[in-house]
Amino acid sequence: GAVVSQHPSWVICKSGTSVKIECRSLDFQATTMFWYRQFPKQSLMLMATSNEGSKATYEQGVEKDKFLINHASLTLSTLTVTSAHPEDSSFYICSALFGETQYFGPGTRLLVL
Amino acid sequence: AQSVTQLGSHVSVSEGALVLLRCNYSSSVPPYLFWYVQYPNQGLQLLLKYTSAATLVKGINGFEAEFKKSETSFHLTKPSAHMSDAAEYFCAVSDHANDMRFGAGTRLTVKP
Repeated sequence: GAVVSQHPSWVICKSGTSVKIECRSLDFQATTMFWYRQFPKQSLMLMATSNEGSKATYEQGVEKDKFLINHASLTLSTLTVTSAHPEDSSFYICSALFGETQYFGPGTRLLVL
Repeated sequence: AQSVTQLGSHVSVSEGALVLLRCNYSSSVPPYLFWYVQYPNQGLQLLLKYTSAATLVKGINGFEAEFKKSETSFHLTKPSAHMSDAAEYFCAVSDHANDMRFGAGTRLTVKP
């Protein structure tokens, strides 16, 4: 139980385009989901907390207009990287809260050319 | 605010040897503590968690961790390392579900 999926698993896009990443809780409902970014050989950096039916809460230094988060249902949160640039290339991981535990998706590797 | 320190960014053991990955935490309230494992190019998989029940927690793949309040520690152990245990391990602390803090991670290498 407590399975979280992400789609796509990897994406390559041109600079200036927008990319949407989906995070789904497959066998439970999650009112709260989280989006993280991970640079090579580093730990996870929390970007934002996504709450179903309300606005996301962004961590300090994360541009909310660049990283759009929508949590329209209890099983789906989306992260849209708008006008992506090469510096946005990274590994993006989502998690969904079930009880007191966060369950993580497999991650999405984004490469912006 | 809570925080986590993982001692040793890289640990190397021989196959069959004891695995010990260290984690110390700081929290102003009784914490929830977690260990996650990450294989290359994958997300994080929950190994085990402590949520104020038994202090010795058993997880998947033969791992266990002991919560020691007096030492503010939650070290991860496994009696006998297997090649498949090679991965990155993250300790995390949470004082409430919406605020989880991760350690920097420890890369475990298992030598044949």
